[in-house]
Amino acid sequence: NAGVTQTPKFQVLKTGQSMTLQCAQDMNHNSMYWYRQDPGMGLRLIYYSASEGTTDKGEVPNGYNVSRLNKREFSLRLESAAPSQTSVYFCASSEGRGEIGYTFGSGTRLTVV
Amino acid sequence: GENVEQHPSTLSVQEGDSAVIKCTYSDSASNYFPWYKQELGKGPQLIIDIRSNVGEKKDQRIAVTLNKTAKHFSLHITETQPEDSAVYFCAATHNDMRFGAGTRLTVKP
Repeated sequence: NAGVTQTPKFQVLKTGQSMTLQCAQDMNHNSMYWYRQDPGMGLRLIYYSASEGTTDKGEVPNGYNVSRLNKREFSLRLESAAPSQTSVYFCASSEGRGEIGYTFGSGTRLTVV
Repeated sequence: GENVEQHPSTLSVQEGDSAVIKCTYSDSASNYFPWYKQELGKGPQLIIDIRSNVGEKKDQRIAVTLNKTAKHFSLHITETQPEDSAVYFCAATHNDMRFGAGTRLTVKP
């Protein structure tokens, strides 16, 4: 099915370990986003890529890096995981920024112990 | 930056009743207001949206209203069904999309 694919679905890390969350979309969308979802806090934007070749910080970028590998793929890296990064991570994409809805992936549940 | 507040945090209704979820936003430049439904274990899914030049929009059993002057918008679900049970998020957009904290809706059969 067309949409946004995230891998892995679940991950447990030890404090200080690193990992990369992968995201790919097959809708030829220009813009891609990484959000984290925490109980009672909704979804908060970590980083976004308005178009291929560009990335920008969102609301909560500290502790994360991103790479827009090509138009389809946008990865999120945790260099040194901390327990505060325990969360559910969602990747999303849209044709452009602004007045347009996003398509979300099914999420990655990350636990840092 | 934009701040979106959403109420209530939980809502329980009987099947067939109506449900209303309300949101307020702070940035008067916000011009796009989508609503998302998130079922357990899945990502949010866009169910309806409204733009700042429109006051109301309907799609079958769901409707959204927008009051730009008061900076609030609402989601109305009529004739609720058990499959409407989910977490609903509002959002306001001025370049970036900012989300409310979510409302867990439970529809009791």
